Amino acid sequence: DTAVSQTPKYLVTQMGNDKSIKCEQNLGHDTMYWYKQDSKKFLKIMFSYNNKELIINETVPNRFSPKSPDKAHLNLHINSLELGDSAVYFCASSQGAGRNTGELFFGEGSRLTVL
Amino acid sequence: AQSVTQLGSHVSVSEGALVLLRCNYSSSVPPYLFWYVQYPNQGLQLLLKYTTGATLVKGINGFEAEFKKSETSFHLTKPSAHMSDAAEYFCAVKDQAGTALIFGKGTTLSVSS
Repeated sequence: DTAVSQTPKYLVTQMGNDKSIKCEQNLGHDTMYWYKQDSKKFLKIMFSYNNKELIINETVPNRFSPKSPDKAHLNLHINSLELGDSAVYFCASSQGAGRNTGELFFGEGSRLTVL
Repeated sequence: AQSVTQLGSHVSVSEGALVLLRCNYSSSVPPYLFWYVQYPNQGLQLLLKYTTGATLVKGINGFEAEFKKSETSFHLTKPSAHMSDAAEYFCAVKDQAGTALIFGKGTTLSVSS
C-alpha cells in the first residue's frame, strides 16, 4: 500500500487551462503539505493543512487553491496555468503539530508541464 | 528565519570512497534537522533526523550525520560509497512555526566505479 499517493503522476496541458492534482495519505496523519520542486530541484513549501485547517499559506499566486475535504486528502487546483507553473508538485504528510511534528512522508510527485 | 545552506551542488566520489555532504543551518530556536534522499523520478525519503539528545545520528543505508552547534553544521557522511547511493540529497530544518520543513538547494551525489 502506498502511504502517500498522488494523481496524476504526469500532467501536460496548455497555458490558460485549469488543472487539479489529488493527494491521499493512509498513514493516519493529521497534517498535509504541498511542496513545489522547480527545474533546479529547489523545494519550496506552498501550503499546509492540519485537520482540514489551513496553517501555512506561503506567497503563492491565488491561482493556486488547496482544498482538504478531510484529513486524509489534500488537493491542489491551479487556474489559468502559466509556463512558470511547470514543476514537480509533491504532497507530504506528518503526524503531530508545531515543534512536535514528526518526519514528513512524501508522495512520488506530480510532474506538471505547461506548454 | 530558519535557512539551510548546502555547500557544493555536485559531489563526485569513487565507489568505496568516503562520502561527505555539507550542510549549515541558521535558526533562532534549537533546530530540528533532517537529511532526505531523492532518487530519480521519485519522492523524498528520510535518511536521518536530529531533534534532541545524541548529536551523532545514524540513519538508513549506512549514513550518519553529526549536529555541531558551535559550527551550526549537520554534515552527512558515509564511510564507503556504493553505486546505489547516487541520488539527490537534501538537508532541511524545521521552520519557526515548527511544522513545515525548509530545504536546502540539494546536492547531487555521483558515484563512479
